[in-house]
Amino acid sequence: DGGITQSPKYLFRKEGQNVTLSCEQNLNHDAMYWYRQDPGQGLRLIYYSQIVNDFQKGDIAEGYSVSREKKESFPLTVTSAQKNPTAFYLCASRTTGGIGNTIYFGEGSWLTVV
Amino acid sequence: AQKITQTQPGMFVQEKEAVTLDCTYDTSDPSYGLFWYKQPSSGEMIFLIYQGSYDQQNATEGRYSLNFQKARKSANLVISASQLGDSAMYFCAMREGLIQGAQKLVFGQGTRLTINP
Repeated sequence: DGGITQSPKYLFRKEGQNVTLSCEQNLNHDAMYWYRQDPGQGLRLIYYSQIVNDFQKGDIAEGYSVSREKKESFPLTVTSAQKNPTAFYLCASRTTGGIGNTIYFGEGSWLTVV
Repeated sequence: AQKITQTQPGMFVQEKEAVTLDCTYDTSDPSYGLFWYKQPSSGEMIFLIYQGSYDQQNATEGRYSLNFQKARKSANLVISASQLGDSAMYFCAMREGLIQGAQKLVFGQGTRLTINP
């Protein structure tokens, strides 16, 4: 089935460690996004990429890094510089052709710092 | 400035009643898109409905319809004949710059809808 796969679903990190969240899509979408969601809050954009080998910072990029070496993959690294990384992380993708194309989301990854 | 405003933190509705979730937006871009997503307790974001700024008619998708009032910058979601499974968080979102630009999606704070039997 086509879709967006995020892994792991749950991740625990010790303070000072970097962790990488995986996002893979087989929808042939050009653009991919990473959002962060804190409890009871809306989604905030971390990074986005419209084409391979190119990405831009979103509203809360500090403490995060990404890469886009393949069209299908957009991994997010939460670095030790991110002071409050405990949150729910959502990856999304969409085609860049057309006007009304929809953004689709993966099932999310829960990151907890212990 | 807040680009998407959802003024109802929570709503309680009886099963089978219709419900309207409010959303107002702010943009100076003539080309934009408005989305509604449903987020159940599992966390996934489920796309419900889309309205383009140039669309002449209100969008509909099954029991969901979008009451688009462009002059008032309002894009309320209407759910007809609510069901227990409709209980979830609902987010309104906007994408600016549909022709050019980053086309980022900006979300409101959400409304938690609870359907009572």
